[in-house]
Amino acid sequence: DAGVIQSPRHEVTEMGQEVTLRCKPISGHDYLFWYRQTMMRGLELLIYFNNNVPIDDSGMPEDRFSAKMPNASFSTLKIQPSEPRDSAVYFCASSLWGSAEAFFGQGTRLTVV
Amino acid sequence: GENVEQHPSTLSVQEGDSAVIKCTYSDSASNYFPWYKQELGKGPQLIIDIRSNVGEKKDQRIAVTLNKTAKHFSLHITETQPEDSAVYFCAASSNDYKLSFGAGTTVTVRA
Repeated sequence: DAGVIQSPRHEVTEMGQEVTLRCKPISGHDYLFWYRQTMMRGLELLIYFNNNVPIDDSGMPEDRFSAKMPNASFSTLKIQPSEPRDSAVYFCASSLWGSAEAFFGQGTRLTVV
Repeated sequence: GENVEQHPSTLSVQEGDSAVIKCTYSDSASNYFPWYKQELGKGPQLIIDIRSNVGEKKDQRIAVTLNKTAKHFSLHITETQPEDSAVYFCAASSNDYKLSFGAGTTVTVRA
């Protein structure tokens, strides 16, 4: 398996634009996580899904952020409208029920100017 | 919610020496404590974990200890090598999945 695949690897966008980050989890994994990493706040869990259903979105910073998982092999994190303070590295991770080990993708570095 | 504090924020050690990173947590319901290693430009990777029913776990040169009473756990790396240079994160969870991470420790192994 190629691991968790995220796209794009880098995204530069202007303030106010919509940004969509994409994730393909490891095949067979039934948990999917979205994290945000910044120098100031470290690694924060934004939302996680189990069997495509959102379980906990308490980490989503505000209504500008939304996440979907339409099927077991794809998830998106959308920011609309984007702001400079959203600049961060966004990681997607997946895990298998009963394992607890989260496998992280390589991340998407988002810069909002 | 859970609050995890990690110390030190940076650690420089001579190759062959040991490195120790310490974390404390606040939620007594936490029962799963993983450690992740993040290399430059990559996502974090699990290196070792421990559950609350165990006081110590070892895997080759790395070991983790847990003191539930004091709510702290530590990572020990012995015989450090240049490839151990990375950022290390501790985390805590009460359900295996909702992880709260520490701020990270940047470890540099000097040759």
